[in-house]
Amino acid sequence: DAGVIQSPRHEVTEMGQEVTLRCKPISGHNSLFWYRQTMMRGLELLIYFNNNVPIDDSGMPEDRFSAKMPNASFSTLKIQPSEPRDSAVYFCASSGGPRGYTFGSGTRLTVV
Amino acid sequence: AQKITQTQPGMFVQEKEAVTLDCTYDTSDQSYGLFWYKQPSSGEMIFLIYQGSYDEQNATEGRYSLNFQKARKSANLVISASQLGDSAMYFCAMREVIQGAQKLVFGQGTRLTINP
Repeated sequence: DAGVIQSPRHEVTEMGQEVTLRCKPISGHNSLFWYRQTMMRGLELLIYFNNNVPIDDSGMPEDRFSAKMPNASFSTLKIQPSEPRDSAVYFCASSGGPRGYTFGSGTRLTVV
Repeated sequence: AQKITQTQPGMFVQEKEAVTLDCTYDTSDQSYGLFWYKQPSSGEMIFLIYQGSYDEQNATEGRYSLNFQKARKSANLVISASQLGDSAMYFCAMREVIQGAQKLVFGQGTRLTINP
């Protein structure tokens, strides 16, 4: 099993540009989570999908952020327009049950 | 209100010593799960150990064990015979269910440094 796959690993973009982060969960896992990690705020849950349906997006910071899960094997997190304060590491995680949450390697986003 | 509290921002331990990383949690749920993750300098989040609220035995995984004290709402991670490779950030997390949605909520982490 390849684990949770995120792309890109690193992204540098200019303020105002659209950024799309991608995630492929572990096959068979029915829950998918997007987290953001910063020094100031630690690990924050942004949004959570169950069976491809968004369940809780209360952690999404503002309307510039959106997430989709068109099928069981793919999810995107989009920021449009991006701002310097969006710079962070974004993690995707998937779960097939209450005991197992597997994280991807993360995408380090830098907005200049 | 902070759900997960890790009171030790940093810890320094001599190699081969045992180390305990503290974690307290706050929940009114009867069913919940507690996790520990390791984040080395490379950045990935590595699952270490899990404890369910109804598990009667403390969880163990190799050199890792979880000292679960339910009445005190604490779930401390114990690493026996520490190694240089144990130097990393360690996060305690709790799975809680809010309005049918499962969330994994993290503490602020403890940075562990193992000295040779």
